[in-house]
Amino acid sequence: DSGVTQTPKHLITATGQRVTLRCSPRSGDLSVYWYQQSLDQGLQFLIQYYNGEERAKGNILERFSAQQFPDLHSELNLSSLELGDSALYFCASSPFSGGGETQYFGPGTRLLVL
Amino acid sequence: KNEVEQSPQNLTAQEGEFITINCSYSVGISALHWLQQHPGGGIVSLFMLSSGKKKHGRLIATINIQEKHSSLHITASHPRDSAVYICAVFMNRDDKIIFGKGTRLHILP
Repeated sequence: DSGVTQTPKHLITATGQRVTLRCSPRSGDLSVYWYQQSLDQGLQFLIQYYNGEERAKGNILERFSAQQFPDLHSELNLSSLELGDSALYFCASSPFSGGGETQYFGPGTRLLVL
Repeated sequence: KNEVEQSPQNLTAQEGEFITINCSYSVGISALHWLQQHPGGGIVSLFMLSSGKKKHGRLIATINIQEKHSSLHITASHPRDSAVYICAVFMNRDDKIIFGKGTRLHILP
């Protein structure tokens, strides 16, 4: 158990809908990272938040947005969903920021868009 | 050409064999991570490297910054090592993270 929790575990929805994925980092960790893993693209970095502020941005679509709240939990909002958004969404946390730290991964949210 | 290349893509070996997985990258990095993803989907971070070599149990990871290359070695491989191994680089110009496509390892008993 990494100490990182993600809800929900599974989500099935229809095209055009909007969903929110939630991540609670390990106690004391200030950074949250969001990743998407699809069968054809593999793992992709979406976005990183550090202590409530956006720190780095990857291949995040404009239809997607994220935020980190004062209690350090984070939410990833996916809107106008398309079939291609079906994927595993992971969050990870680390104590501070930068590549020189171990990241602790949550169990992932499996999203299926029908 | 991908910025992070892993080889081999798939590897099947007998229990006890010495395993090497390679990762080459073409960008400037601040660190490289090796991750393990089990069939159930969970991801575990194995190593974080910015230089040299690290060892944890039967796993050894090395990085050569000048050659932009890292290797993950498994000694005395065991069926429970069967998983997908992924390298990830942290780019030093903008803190973005790029992943290799992974190496699917299958160790036969």
